[in-house]
Amino acid sequence: EAGVAQSPRYKIIEKRQSVAFWCNPISGHATLYWYQQILGQGPKLLIQFQNNGVVDDSQLPKDRFSAERLKGVDSTLKIQPAKLEDSAVYLCASSRGQVEPFFGPGTRLTVL
Amino acid sequence: AQSVTQLDSQVPVFEEAPVELRCNYSSSVSVYLFWYVQYPNQGLQLLLKYLSGSTLVKGINGFEAEFNKSQTSFHLRKPSVHISDTAEYFCAVYSSASKIIFGSGTRLSIRP
Repeated sequence: EAGVAQSPRYKIIEKRQSVAFWCNPISGHATLYWYQQILGQGPKLLIQFQNNGVVDDSQLPKDRFSAERLKGVDSTLKIQPAKLEDSAVYLCASSRGQVEPFFGPGTRLTVL
Repeated sequence: AQSVTQLDSQVPVFEEAPVELRCNYSSSVSVYLFWYVQYPNQGLQLLLKYLSGSTLVKGINGFEAEFNKSQTSFHLRKPSVHISDTAEYFCAVYSSASKIIFGSGTRLSIRP
């Protein structure tokens, strides 16, 4: 079974620029998560989808972050405009029925 | 509200020595508990999970954890560590709020 795929793996941008991350979950996994992991901290949930509906986006900075999951499969997370404090690893994860999410390798974002 | 505390940010141990990584949680309801491992530049991988039943849970790579409800703890142990166990370890808790909360992580460094 293929794992969670994410791209790009690394991204460097200037502050105020825009950036987008892509995630393809494990086939058949209805639940998809985006986490933000700042250096030295644990992952923080940004948004959780069940199929293509949002279950929880309470910690998503909606003034600059947006996410969508069209057709209940792939998902994109966008930051516009980026700030220095957005430098982090963005982790996508998915699950099917079971509680625990399965994680992708992450995208490391550096904002200069 | 639920929370997770990992008491040690770093734990250095010698190779083949035993190790314990501590995790305490707070929640007013029944919880599920997890330990994840993160190797450098990779996503999180599930080590083990406690959902119900036996309080001693065995996971991959020789790790085990014990759920202690009275002390609200879920400490991770391994009787003999190897260089390849060098990684960051995250404790996580899930409750009926349907959100998984991660601790801040413990960096395990193995000395030869």
